[in-house]
Amino acid sequence: QSALTQPASVSGSPGQSITISCTGTSSDVGGYDLVTWYQHHPGKAPKLLIYEVTERPSGVSFRFSGSKSDNTAFLTISGLQAEDEGDYYCCSYAGSRTHWVFGGGTKLTVL
Amino acid sequence: QVQLQESGPGLVKPSGTLSLTCDVSGGSLSSSHWWTWVRQPPGKGLEWIGEVYHTGTTNYNPSLKSRLAISVDNSKNQFSLKLTSVTAADTAVYHCARRTIPGNWFGPWGQGTLVTVSS
Repeated sequence: QSALTQPASVSGSPGQSITISCTGTSSDVGGYDLVTWYQHHPGKAPKLLIYEVTERPSGVSFRFSGSKSDNTAFLTISGLQAEDEGDYYCCSYAGSRTHWVFGGGTKLTVL
Repeated sequence: QVQLQESGPGLVKPSGTLSLTCDVSGGSLSSSHWWTWVRQPPGKGLEWIGEVYHTGTTNYNPSLKSRLAISVDNSKNQFSLKLTSVTAADTAVYHCARRTIPGNWFGPWGQGTLVTVSS
């Protein structure tokens, strides 16, 4: 069982927006602004989408955005495209004992 | 551009030791970043294993700490993972990655290498 809880799957049609949630506790997501989001296609290296909850690295589409409320972080993808299909993972700092924890992953299907 | 590449045996016997190395090219291990191992068991999510700084300082996943050793070889620009007393539950794709400072994100990543624990 992963430390952070994500929905197993989400889906949307091209052009729509979807949001993936990542629920933790006050010891991880809620306690630090150190949430990152990754897109992962099996067999490939994960790709960073969002860091420090809301920051988007250069080269990542503006269609990807992050936010946080209490112990839950969110990744929103707007203007869904077929190429967005894949697995999405959140990750959070969890203190000096546990260090880093990932979510269980969410499979995004573009209908 | 920094690139990472994992190497090591793809098959390990139960109760044996899993050993992997990550070669870093295009940049120096002796920079202000942490060097990390992450794994993904078949059909499951990502799991952070642990990390090492160029000084040799380490941070480990508490659930693996008793079996785990991560080390760095600055002269070879590589870092390594050793996991002892492995079981089938340790079967996974193992990725090495850089925890980039500032920002605290994982990237770049290696492509990953599948390690199967089986007799």
